[in-house]
Amino acid sequence: KAGVTQTPRYLIKTRGQQVTLSCSPISGHRSVSWYQQTPGQGLQFLFEYFSETQRNKGNFPGRFSGRQFSNSRSEMNVSTLELGDSALYLCASSQPGQGVNEQFFGPGTRLTVL
Amino acid sequence: EDQVTQSPEALRLQEGESSSLNCSYTVSGLRGLFWYRQDPGKGPEFLFTLYSAGEEKEKERLKATLTKKESFLHITAPKPEDSATYLCAVETYNTDKLIFGTGTRLQVFP
Repeated sequence: KAGVTQTPRYLIKTRGQQVTLSCSPISGHRSVSWYQQTPGQGLQFLFEYFSETQRNKGNFPGRFSGRQFSNSRSEMNVSTLELGDSALYLCASSQPGQGVNEQFFGPGTRLTVL
Repeated sequence: EDQVTQSPEALRLQEGESSSLNCSYTVSGLRGLFWYRQDPGKGPEFLFTLYSAGEEKEKERLKATLTKKESFLHITAPKPEDSATYLCAVETYNTDKLIFGTGTRLQVFP
């Protein structure tokens, strides 16, 4: 079974620009979560989508948004980029059921904001 | 507030020198605790899920244990390829999102 894929793997943008990141979950998984990882803050939860609906949201400004398509693929958008948005952005897929929500991560997109 | 703390931040071991990593948590209603391994520039790789105090799980040189307040990841006779950052995360009954610790960076020298 193919794992979680993310595109692109690397991005370089300048302040004020916007960026869209893409995530394809493991086949059959309907939930996609997004995380920001920085050396200082570790893994911080951004949001989770399940069946095209945002189910959970972390404490990030409105510049960070996302969506999920009917095939469970998800995109994350960051508008008006700031230097502090430089990070590794990770998506994770899972198939929520009655038990715990085991999440499987993709390789990440490394975003550098200049 | 739900919180996860990992210690130590960094650990250097000689090959074959066994040790333990700690993950302590303060949460209201633990649904599950997860261990991940992350290599530089890559996404976290799932290792274990623990559900209740007293539970243990093993995989090769790794063994994870869980109490009501903390989890340990025991590494027996580590090899250089075990070098990575090990992350602990919890899920509670209040929310479906994972709360991560900041990780322990393990280096194993030959």
